[in-house]
Amino acid sequence: GAVVSQHPSRVICKSGTSVKIECRSLDFQATTMFWYRQFPKQSLMLMATSNEGSKATYEQGVEKDKFLINHASLTLSTLTVTSAHPEDSSFYICSARRRYLDSNQPQHFGDGTRLSIL
Amino acid sequence: ILNVEQSPQSLHVQEGDSTNFTCSFPSSNFYALHWYRWETAKSPEALFVMTLNGDEKKKGRISATLNTKEGYSYLYIKGSQPEDSATYLCAFPSINTGTASKLTFGTGTRLQVTL
Repeated sequence: GAVVSQHPSRVICKSGTSVKIECRSLDFQATTMFWYRQFPKQSLMLMATSNEGSKATYEQGVEKDKFLINHASLTLSTLTVTSAHPEDSSFYICSARRRYLDSNQPQHFGDGTRLSIL
Repeated sequence: ILNVEQSPQSLHVQEGDSTNFTCSFPSSNFYALHWYRWETAKSPEALFVMTLNGDEKKKGRISATLNTKEGYSYLYIKGSQPEDSATYLCAFPSINTGTASKLTFGTGTRLQVTL
């Protein structure tokens, strides 16, 4: 099956640090990748859609300058949380969809990153 | 904001029991309905993508039905086993920019199966 690798799985760092999270599709090309955030006892909330070779599409209320997304190749998207603060502590997870397939195809998820800002 | 709801929030059954849970979603602008299983410390895994009203899909002991007119889907697990313990998520795609659809997730049903 399709494999998506997300790294790191856990980050603990000081307030003000910028944190980069990588999402790689290992055995397929992904034109589109998605970044989600999950607060405790809540559902996965889409933050942004990452499009290869173009700017990401952010959901309402998500700060573009705070959450920088780069999708430079068909197998890699990165999310950088800039100058992270304790309120950015959360679970972040990415997903990818195979290139050229219908939008009704399932998404393939990474294992997620638990970010804790002290 | 799309409203995708799942019930119950959590469920505790014994091995061998059959169980089911519900996902309700908007009945307008329907494209598909996704079901995912999310085991602890693993990534969410796609179970089904359902597209047609009246559709029924099956994967081993797990099956799902779809009613697009009334906006609900049921997920059934027959003869639950401890390895079925997971959070089951449904998700409703809507068209984002261009052809890139985005998923709105329900909060999930957390199933625990004990011996």
